[in-house]
Amino acid sequence: AQSVTQPDIHITVSEGASLELRCNYSYGATPYLFWYVQSPGQGLQLLLKYFSGDTLVQGIKGFEAEFKRSQSSFNLRKPSVHWSDAAEYFCAVGDNFGNEKLTFGTGTRLTIIP
Amino acid sequence: GAVVSQHPSWVICKSGTSVKIECRSLDFQATTMFWYRQFPKQSLMLMATSNEGSKATYEQGVEKDKFLINHASLTLSTLTVTSAHPEDSSFYICSASKDGGQPQHFGDGTRLSIL
Repeated sequence: AQSVTQPDIHITVSEGASLELRCNYSYGATPYLFWYVQSPGQGLQLLLKYFSGDTLVQGIKGFEAEFKRSQSSFNLRKPSVHWSDAAEYFCAVGDNFGNEKLTFGTGTRLTIIP
Repeated sequence: GAVVSQHPSWVICKSGTSVKIECRSLDFQATTMFWYRQFPKQSLMLMATSNEGSKATYEQGVEKDKFLINHASLTLSTLTVTSAHPEDSSFYICSASKDGGQPQHFGDGTRLSIL
């Protein structure tokens, strides 16, 4: 069965600093990978996705993520965070054999300090 | 594009009542919709997969008689929490996918509070 691990429960970053959120997955083949962001009391917004091709994917709001098969990772990065980036971030994996289910990681809460 | 609307956003009701939550895909047709439950400060747990015109597929441990799902059209799925009790209080989120594929697009969630 597929699984996702987000090792960091909570990260605090200064505004303007760079950010990297870690995500490791377990899946038997090349998975579909996603990063979603959730603000308090809201649903999830898709930041970016990886299906195939270029392993460095660009998303919205200046985020990017890199798929590394050898490390089973899909880490999310942003070169300079803004206070509005404070939220909960979820990594998710979906299979690519027609089953549309997503398996989510436990999430990383991002706090931005001035 | 790919907007999913969920209604209501917040509901408070007495124990024993039934509550219906709607999930609509506003600008696309969704053959498949998903219902998740999220406890405070936790991740999303898939409850069931809703397929238009057929019975929903429930995840292990989810009571299908408790959480009734109807997907009567390509743009609407409903989740009814029957005879709700305080332990059913939670944040419920739906998602929908275009063309039966990925990615999923999420509604803004419904906060259900049972007194």
